[in-house]
Amino acid sequence: AQRVTQPEKLLSVFKGAPVELKCNYSYSGSPELFWYVQYSRQRLQLLLRHISRESIKGFTADLNKGETSFHLKKPFAQEEDSAMYYCALRGGNEKLTFGTGTRLTIIP
Amino acid sequence: DAGITQSPRHKVTETGTPVTLRCHQTENHRYMYWYRQDPGHGLRLIHYSYGVKDTDKGEVSDGYSVSRSKTEDFLLTLESATSSQTSVYFCAISAGGGFDEQYFGPGTRLTVT
Repeated sequence: AQRVTQPEKLLSVFKGAPVELKCNYSYSGSPELFWYVQYSRQRLQLLLRHISRESIKGFTADLNKGETSFHLKKPFAQEEDSAMYYCALRGGNEKLTFGTGTRLTIIP
Repeated sequence: DAGITQSPRHKVTETGTPVTLRCHQTENHRYMYWYRQDPGHGLRLIHYSYGVKDTDKGEVSDGYSVSRSKTEDFLLTLESATSSQTSVYFCAISAGGGFDEQYFGPGTRLTVT
């Protein structure tokens, strides 16, 4: 079985401070990990995927297989980063398993 | 936004009535999904389709059925709505094969009274 855990339901960070949204997973094979984001009044959309090893909107995420983690990080938070963030895992088929989400609020 | 629409966008219905939600895509993607979004549970997969007339269950399929008679349409039916099915329902599509992302629809807010 595959499982994604996001331990923080709510996270508040001051503008300009570093951000880290935690994601841990459980999967016996080689996982594909994603971060999806839902801004206010917008559709859920892909933020980044681990295979791309890219930085999107200043966010990065590194897959740590030893710790089974895929934490999302940004060095300097901006007000427009306020949103709901979901970590997701795909294991061997076309289905995604989502975590419960973290609502990030950036304090001006 | 990818060409995904959902109808209706909002619906209030009574317990015990049947409800059908429609997802329509113009991307000709193979895979289509229905999720429900609930506080504290995130997004949970209800059913998905990997082709016309090919569907499979997700983790919360009880009380729901789906049909896909055309590539572009994926219907979610609540045969007899219950209050526990009050939720926001999202449709998603993907082309499949590897690391293709899922594109989400705008959501349908369903309230069962």
